[in-house]
Amino acid sequence: SSELTQDPTVSVALGQPVRITCQGDSLTTYYASWYQQKPGQAPVLVIYDKNNRPSGIPDRFSGSSSGNTASLTIAGAQAEDEADYYCSSRDYNGISLFGGGTKLTVL
Amino acid sequence: EVQLVESGGGLVQPGGSLRLSCAASGFSFSDYEMNWVRQAPGKGLDWVSYISSGGLTIYYADSVKGRFTISRDNAKNSLYLQMNSLRAEDTAVYYCARVRSSRYFRASDSWGQGTLVTVSS
Repeated sequence: SSELTQDPTVSVALGQPVRITCQGDSLTTYYASWYQQKPGQAPVLVIYDKNNRPSGIPDRFSGSSSGNTASLTIAGAQAEDEADYYCSSRDYNGISLFGGGTKLTVL
Repeated sequence: EVQLVESGGGLVQPGGSLRLSCAASGFSFSDYEMNWVRQAPGKGLDWVSYISSGGLTIYYADSVKGRFTISRDNAKNSLYLQMNSLRAEDTAVYYCARVRSSRYFRASDSWGQGTLVTVSS
């Protein structure tokens, strides 16, 4: 069955750029969406479609895709960006998939 | 302002049933597809089910197929999840989420705060 793979942990120094990746066969056809989740809170959509940000999401967040890999880039990580990040995509059969999540630590 | 408010969670014994509800406001509910997504304690997000705006197209994760039923009442601006034959592994916070989609993507752009379902004897 389809699945999406993420690195479990990523660290970044304050103010530095960081990229979080997501791999999966469905990403060759469908764009990923990206979610930020902080402890005790519901997820928040940060990137969808090719590279669109919902209203209120800072422009330091961007998305890209190449082959079977989607990436979320934070141009200059802030302390408030420390969170879990999940990618998601639909697959060819209509179901949706989530990656296992990446815990981002801002040092 | 978009609001999604889940209810109906609680403690249930293995093999039991629960019906979750999600009350939507602040947008034209009948125009939007919807998802249910769950998150077990300390674990990642797990997609459960999808329903199209008119209710005619429905998808389920393999883990819940045959046990869970998604439905909606557009006149009441409400989404439902009927959960039968519950198992310990169904223990999770259940979120309803509004879907934004095109031919090339499907994203959940607004989420409720979730309702906790605990399956235990």
